[in-house]
Amino acid sequence: EPEVTQTPSHQVTQMGQEVILRCVPISNHLYFYWYRQILGQKVEFLVSFYNNEISEKSEIFDDQFSVERPDGSNFTLKIRSTKLEDSAMYFCASTPRGVTDTQYFGPGTRLTVL
Amino acid sequence: GDSVTQMEGPVTLSEEAFLTINCTYTATGYPSLFWYVQYPGEGLQLLLKATKADDKGSNKGFEATYRKETTSFHLEKGSVQVSDSAVYFCAALQGAQKLVFGQGTRLTINP
Repeated sequence: EPEVTQTPSHQVTQMGQEVILRCVPISNHLYFYWYRQILGQKVEFLVSFYNNEISEKSEIFDDQFSVERPDGSNFTLKIRSTKLEDSAMYFCASTPRGVTDTQYFGPGTRLTVL
Repeated sequence: GDSVTQMEGPVTLSEEAFLTINCTYTATGYPSLFWYVQYPGEGLQLLLKATKADDKGSNKGFEATYRKETTSFHLEKGSVQVSDSAVYFCAALQGAQKLVFGQGTRLTINP
């Protein structure tokens, strides 16, 4: 069964550094999302992406964040200058054509900012 | 905005016990509702969903019924197994694209 994949599984970075988290959504899916989960807290929506542009974003998704679909398969989340409070598990998700209410999640990338 | 509240965990049960994890939501309108499960070291997996009032979602022996009157979507299973140990998340779809999650309930099943 096709799955959403994410790399790396764990990323450690220094405060102020840029990080790029990578996701490969399920082939032929049309909508793409990023969520994050700070340890012990709820899973929070960051951004949704469709047709090569952001369709919705949360208050968390400020100018430090950006998303890109550089080719036909990858979907990336960039954090330009990481802060300690960016430490979290980041989940990518995608939605197929025709079943737009169901999101399929990847295994997550754990980001640790030191 | 919309919100989802789950029963506090952790929940510990013996194998073959009956399971209920409570979930209530507040929303404008009637959002699609979901249960996701996260096994240790893995991502969020869709367990079941319901898209309108009185719908029952079911999968792997788990069930949840969309109750408009009580704005609830409680997860139930008649006889749990050790392999059901995981974290369970209730979620509501706000608008067309944004999932709003509950805080998660950690379930441990002892043999």
